[in-house]
Amino acid sequence: EPEVTQTPSHQVTQMGQEVILRCVPISNHLYFYWYRQILGQKVEFLVSFYNNEISEKSEIFDDQFSVERPDGSNFTLKIRSTKLEDSAMYFCASSEAGRGRGGYTFGSGTRLTVV
Amino acid sequence: AQSVTQLGSHVSVSEGALVLLRCNYSSSVPPYLFWYVQYPNQGLQLLLKYTTGATLVKGINGFEAEFKKSETSFHLTKPSAHMSDAAEYFCAVSDRQNNNDMRFGAGTRLTVKP
Repeated sequence: EPEVTQTPSHQVTQMGQEVILRCVPISNHLYFYWYRQILGQKVEFLVSFYNNEISEKSEIFDDQFSVERPDGSNFTLKIRSTKLEDSAMYFCASSEAGRGRGGYTFGSGTRLTVV
Repeated sequence: AQSVTQLGSHVSVSEGALVLLRCNYSSSVPPYLFWYVQYPNQGLQLLLKYTTGATLVKGINGFEAEFKKSETSFHLTKPSAHMSDAAEYFCAVSDRQNNNDMRFGAGTRLTVKP
């Protein structure tokens, strides 16, 4: 079964450093998403991406965050200057159809720890 | 904007007992509805979804959910709990008309006692 692959599985970074979280969505999917889950809390929407541009973003997705699809396979989330409160599990997802119609396929997540 | 409310952050059942996890949604138009499961230290796995058609939806691992428009509910059930069902369960909603992406409930942690 096709999978969404995320790397690394766990990243520790110092406060103020830049991090890039990487995702390889399912190859024929057109819509890409990032969600995050702070430990013990709900899964929160960050951003959706379609046709090489952001289609929607939440209030969490401020100027410190950016997304990019640098080539035909990778989808990255960059945090420019990490803060302690950025520590969370970050999930990438992709879908064939937009508006959640078909459900999303999620990766296993990257656990980001900011120290 | 659409939202979901999961009643009960923690549900505990005995092995073999009925599992009932509650989800109510708020949406101005008929939504798409989903249940995801998250096992410890793993990602989110789709259990089942409602998009259109039959309101009783069957998913993996013996779970099912029924879309009830009059009650704005999409409760998840399983007739007989198994130890392996212990996990966090998330209800999610997406607005089929507006380009709003999926929103998750706060989650319900299911514990299964032997």
